[in-house]
Amino acid sequence: DAGITQSPRHKVTETGTPVTLRCHQTENHRYMYWYRQDPGHGLRLIHYSYGVKDTDKGEVSDGYSVSRSKTEDFLLTLESATSSQTSVYFCAISEPGYEGYTFGSGTRLTVV
Amino acid sequence: SQELEQSPQSLIVQEGKNLTINCTSSKTLYGLYWYKQKYGEGLIFLMMLQKGGEEKSHEKITAKLDEKKQQSSLHITASQPSHAGIYLCGADVGYGGSQGNLIFGKGTKLSVKP
Repeated sequence: DAGITQSPRHKVTETGTPVTLRCHQTENHRYMYWYRQDPGHGLRLIHYSYGVKDTDKGEVSDGYSVSRSKTEDFLLTLESATSSQTSVYFCAISEPGYEGYTFGSGTRLTVV
Repeated sequence: SQELEQSPQSLIVQEGKNLTINCTSSKTLYGLYWYKQKYGEGLIFLMMLQKGGEEKSHEKITAKLDEKKQQSSLHITASQPSHAGIYLCGADVGYGGSQGNLIFGKGTKLSVKP
């Protein structure tokens, strides 16, 4: 979707290294979310943001941190990557009054 | 906590056949979303249902929310290869004062044989 982009699209990293994933939106939506998708578990919420510098934890937040210094950018950081964090990560945005949550194309992260 | 159960987990149909995917919630649904996902890609929003008994259609896809708002179905009429993918239902749950976040079922993988 043109209004939301994730970078990088693919990344391979080594255990113990820090990794930052970026979500960028051009829709000026207030809410932003990070999900991970794993076989057998489906999509699970990691962290979300309800405004600049306003963030909160989701269902599977351990080992992850987030930052939102601008409306358009939501960063997800793995401080010290582990193999269990190998996954596909999706960013989503939403805004009251708009129907539906818009998802990015995903980042496939492999931790070796 | 709320959980969403989708059935079936996977489905193979002949092109032209109709099919139905179900999504059942452990709690009352206040916002039910249907998404489609192709392998390796993001989620495409299909429809959102909020009111008991609500029904929405887009092209050959119809989604319904039951009166008790605990079950939704997605029906595809005269399936085509372009309908193949993973269908996910999502439900609005609240965290603190936020607008709401989505929890998802595990998905139904649809294959359509030409």
